[in-house]
Order: sequence, then structure tokens, then C-alpha cells
Amino acid sequence: DTEVTQTPKHLVMGMTNKKSLKCEQHMGHRAMYWYKQKAKKPPELMFVYSYEKLSINESVPSRFSPECPNSSLLNLHLHALQPEDSALYLCASSQVLMGQGAETQYFGPGTRLLVL
Amino acid sequence: AQKITQTQPGMFVQEKEAVTLDCTYDTSDPSYGLFWYKQPSSGEMIFLIYQGSYDQQNATEGRYSLNFQKARKSANLVISASQLGDSAMYFCAMRYTDKLIFGTGTRLQVFP
Repeated sequence: DTEVTQTPKHLVMGMTNKKSLKCEQHMGHRAMYWYKQKAKKPPELMFVYSYEKLSINESVPSRFSPECPNSSLLNLHLHALQPEDSALYLCASSQVLMGQGAETQYFGPGTRLLVL
Repeated sequence: AQKITQTQPGMFVQEKEAVTLDCTYDTSDPSYGLFWYKQPSSGEMIFLIYQGSYDQQNATEGRYSLNFQKARKSANLVISASQLGDSAMYFCAMRYTDKLIFGTGTRLQVFP
């Protein structure tokens, strides 16, 4: 089973709202990722967690705040977003960090976010 | 610098025919991995196939095969016997250190 789930599927929020995106996997993977994808573009890496510790932050604005409460769960907290943050947010997981062995990333279905 | 190039923005193929999607890469690292993902309009990125830089044989997964030419730094995806459900965006990606670098993608449309 290579399933990564994400909720919600769609989210509309105002610029003053606070919301959270949730990602879950039960494959025993120890690396989890957040990507942002604009229309007709490839995904862009935002954050990487390895063994529940933040490993990579790709200079993402502080209005995006990741959290990894346990090895199966990854959250992305959103606050004071801008309309240009509207995008598809994809979560992925891999057995371990890339470059350390089994490295295929499996993606969830994504959350389509619209910021008004 | 590490780079993935997909030169075909769009491709058309008739159902049941084979199609090749091109991907070239540039890296100075002797250890790397190459991936292909499919993204239907629903948004999910579906893993298709993987090739490691030290793998001697070309990877195959069902109707998907990867034509790996190391000296030419190319990793083309071959889809045999195309189906209507293969219509999607296809991304080539390369592992560089602990990250995935994606190409710009090729939109494949399969027609009856």
C-alpha cells in the first residue's frame, strides 16, 4: 500500500484566516515532504521532515508553518496568506530521506487552496 | 548545476500506439536517481518508474519502460500500448542530494 492521504481536498480562505492542511501516511515512512505547485508548473519543495525533525526549509515565508506531531502525520499551518499563495499543495513521503536508500517519494492527492 | 530538461511541452498519440517522452539531465554527481511521475488533472502525482545511476539494466514496470542512456544523460519514458487513461502531465525528476528536481513536464494526450 502506497497511500498518502491529504485533507481537505479543497480550501478557500481569506487573507486573515488561519487554517491547517493535514497529511497522513501509514507506510512506516520516516521522511515527509510539503510541495507547492502552481498551475502548469512542476512542484516546488517547501519543507522536509526526517524522523519528525525539520530537515529542509526552502526559505518559505513564515506565514507557512509546518508541524510533524508523529511519524505518520504532517501538518501545514497557514496564517495571513496572500492571493499568490493559491496553489495545489502536495504532501509526499519516502521510506527514508532521499540519498539514504529506498528513496521513492509517494504523493498524496493534494489540497487545492484558494486565497481570497 | 543539476538540471532536468523536458523539451516536449505536449505530445499526441493514438490509442494502442507506443509513445516516447524525452528527458535529459545534467549532474556531476556519480550517484543519482531518475524518476517519472504521472499527474492527471485530478492533481495526484503518481509514481511510475525509477532508475538508479548504477543500475545496469533499464527499468520496466508493466507498460512503462525507461530508456536509460547514461553517456547521453537521457532517461526517456516509453509507454507501450497507450490507453485513453494515460492522458496526463508527465514529469521527469532527478534526486540531487536529498531533494527531487523536476522537469517542466510533458502533457500527453491519447486519442481514440
